[in-house]
Amino acid sequence: EDQVTQSPEALRLQEGESSSLNCSYTVSGLRGLFWYRQDPGKGPEFLFTLYSAGEEKEKERLKATLTKKESFLHITAPKPEDSATYLCAVRGTKGAQKLVFGQGTRLTINP
Amino acid sequence: NAGVTQTPKFRILKIGQSMTLQCTQDMNHNYMYWYRQDPGMGLKLIYYSVGAGITDKGEVPNGYNVSRSTTEDFPLRLELAAPSQTSVYFCASSADRDQYFGAGTRLSVL
Repeated sequence: EDQVTQSPEALRLQEGESSSLNCSYTVSGLRGLFWYRQDPGKGPEFLFTLYSAGEEKEKERLKATLTKKESFLHITAPKPEDSATYLCAVRGTKGAQKLVFGQGTRLTINP
Repeated sequence: NAGVTQTPKFRILKIGQSMTLQCTQDMNHNYMYWYRQDPGMGLKLIYYSVGAGITDKGEVPNGYNVSRSTTEDFPLRLELAAPSQTSVYFCASSADRDQYFGAGTRLSVL
């Protein structure tokens, strides 16, 4: 069974203080690891898809990396507007188009 | 750009009542999904569809039904609402890999 575990559950940072969020996964044949951002009261917003170990993708202050067992979302010099819940999900070969989500990391950036 | 549209945004039901959550997408995506999200939890897949006329169960399908008569619409039906169905429901669609989500329907069953 495909599983995703995210850590920490919550993270508070000062503006400009860089850090990383972790997504550990087990999957039967990875067909994609997905990162989403979710603001309170809204639906998840797509950020990145990673497909193979060693792959990296960047968007503004965010960079996602992937190994065979985990993915990291690195946040460099964050701003208050980066505050949100970040969700990680995987799709395996047995799941067709289905995604399995982690519980999310709630990130708060204090000014 | 409408994307994925869900209605209603909020609803309160009494135990045993029925309702349909509506979902429409204007991106001509073949794949559509229904998830529920409980507080502090990730999203769990209820049902999904790979095209008009084809639906399949996800992780938590009990108490729900779906239909897919057109590419655009994928309604979710609750027949006999129970307190355990209090949650936020999200609809999503995809062409192949990346899923795009609606704003959600917040449902309370009292």
